[in-house]
Order: sequence, then C-alpha cells, then structure tokens
Amino acid sequence: AQSVTQLGSHVSVSEGALVLLRCNYSSSVPPYLFWYVQYPNQGLQLLLKYTSAATLVKGINGFEAEFKKSETSFHLTKPSAHMSDAAEYFCAVSVRDNNDMRFGAGTRLTVKP
Amino acid sequence: KAGVTQTPRYLIKTRGQQVTLSCSPISGHRSVSWYQQTPGQGLQFLFEYFSETQRNKGNFPGRFSGRQFSNSRSEMNVSTLELGDSALYLCASSLQGDAYGYTFGSGTRLTVV
Repeated sequence: AQSVTQLGSHVSVSEGALVLLRCNYSSSVPPYLFWYVQYPNQGLQLLLKYTSAATLVKGINGFEAEFKKSETSFHLTKPSAHMSDAAEYFCAVSVRDNNDMRFGAGTRLTVKP
Repeated sequence: KAGVTQTPRYLIKTRGQQVTLSCSPISGHRSVSWYQQTPGQGLQFLFEYFSETQRNKGNFPGRFSGRQFSNSRSEMNVSTLELGDSALYLCASSLQGDAYGYTFGSGTRLTVV
C-alpha cells in the first residue's frame, strides 16, 4: 500500500524566509501526490496536486512543490513566509483507481515575526 | 458554491451509545470519503463511496459503517462507542475520486465520555 513520510513534525521560520516542508512517498505504481493545509478547528484545504503532468506544481498562496521520482520526494516550498502561513501541513498520496488517499503525520509550521 | 457541510459540528456521547454523522458534498461531487483525525494517529482513512457504492475501506472495526444516498449525501455510523473513538471526523468530496483532489468539510468533533 502507498504511504508518505513527512520529515519534521514542527518547522519554524522567520517571516520572509524560505519555507521548505519535506515529504517522501512510497508507492509501487505512479502516485498522485497532494499537499493540504489545516488551520485550527477547520478541515483541510487543498494547496496543490501532482497527477503525472508537469513535475513542478504551483498551488495557492504562493506554494509550489516538485515531484522527484528518483528521490521519491514531493517537497513543498514557498520563497517568503507570511504570518498567515502558520498552520499544519499534510502531504498525501493515492494511486489510480484506489480512492484511498493516505496522509502523512503532518508538519506544524510556525512563522516568527 | 456551497462547500462540504458536516453536521453536527460537536457531539458528546456516552460509551456504549451509537452515533450518526452526516455529510453533504459539494453539488455535483459523487465521491465522498471519511477520515478520522486524532492527535496520536493522525488522519486515518475510513471509507470512500461513489454513486452509493463503497469502493474502498480502511482498517477500522466493523463498528464503523457508512452509506451514501442517491443525492450523494453520506452518513457514517459508529456503534458501541469507545473512549478511543473520540476524534475529529472529516468528510471530503470529489468529482470522481482521488485524482481530482478532495474538498474537506470542517468536521464533526466527537467526544465519548
């Protein structure tokens, strides 16, 4: 079965600094990959998704992620952090026709002023 | 366009009781998935429905069940509640499944006492 590992349960950056959240996946077949964000007391919001088209995927709020098959990675980046980016971020993986998306443990992003 | 609606938002139940949670997907979405979110286990996949059929199921005991109606609305039921069932239950809808990404509701916070 497919799975994801998020490296670092907590990441702290200064406002204006680069955000890098790491995600590695495991899948025996080409995966679909996603990043979601969750704010307190809310559901998850889709940031971006990779479904076998361009390997560099741009999402909402200035985030982007690059699919690297050789490294089985799908890291999330943003050039300049804003205070409003403070939230929990989840990487997720699924495979075609399985319809059972699996999530990583999450990374809590803190942005310092 | 209305989002995914989950009712109720908060619920307190006693051990041994049963509970039914409701989810109304985005209009036109035919796939509905359910997830359990806890601090210890993170996001765990419960099941996914498409056109009233369960297409996939996670690794939960039979006390957890669900169904989907012809209008795509979905319910999940938990019988004989245990303290460990306390969690945020999230419903997510998609046009047809994982490849499209999911839109999540705000969840139902279930507390078992």
